[in-house]
Amino acid sequence: AQSVSQHNHHVILSEAASLELGCNYSYGGTVNLFWYVQYPGQHLQLLLKYFSGDPLVKGIKGFEAEFIKSKFSFNLRKPSVQWSDTAEYFCAVNVPGGSQGNLIFGKGTKLSVKP
Amino acid sequence: DAGVIQSPRHEVTEMGQEVTLRCKPISGHNSLFWYRQTMMRGLELLIYFNNNVPIDDSGMPEDRFSAKMPNASFSTLKIQPSEPRDSAVYFCASSFRGNQPQHFGDGTRLSIL
Repeated sequence: AQSVSQHNHHVILSEAASLELGCNYSYGGTVNLFWYVQYPGQHLQLLLKYFSGDPLVKGIKGFEAEFIKSKFSFNLRKPSVQWSDTAEYFCAVNVPGGSQGNLIFGKGTKLSVKP
Repeated sequence: DAGVIQSPRHEVTEMGQEVTLRCKPISGHNSLFWYRQTMMRGLELLIYFNNNVPIDDSGMPEDRFSAKMPNASFSTLKIQPSEPRDSAVYFCASSFRGNQPQHFGDGTRLSIL
């Protein structure tokens, strides 16, 4: 079965620090990969997605993620975080065209940015 | 586009009562998902529908939970009888196809006393 691992449960950074959140998945074939963000008290919103093509994906709000197939990873990055990036970040995966249409979510990483 | 609409936003009820959560997916989306989010367990998929048909309900905790999708624009998640451990935020999401990005509703915050 597919699974998604997010290495950090809680990350605390100061404003302007660089961010990298780890995400690894377990599936040997082609996958679709997603990062979602959940701001406090809000619903999940799509940050970025990877289906195919350039493994470096640009998302909203200055976020990007790099798909490294050999490492089964899809880490999220941002060069300089802001206080408003305080949120929980979820990595998710599914198999294109597979019978299992749902997303498998990681447990999430809480990001706290100190002003 | 109105997005995924869930109601109610908040529900507080006593143990043993029936609870019905409602969801209206984005028009044209043919996949609908119900999730539960708690501090302890994170985000869990309860059930998902494709073209109004339940495809995977393995995440439904027990028989007290049931979900229906009578048409393409409406789904319900029912808990009967409710228990305090059902307290959580319940999200509904929809997508154009099962493996396309999902769009989430604002959630229903459920408190069972």
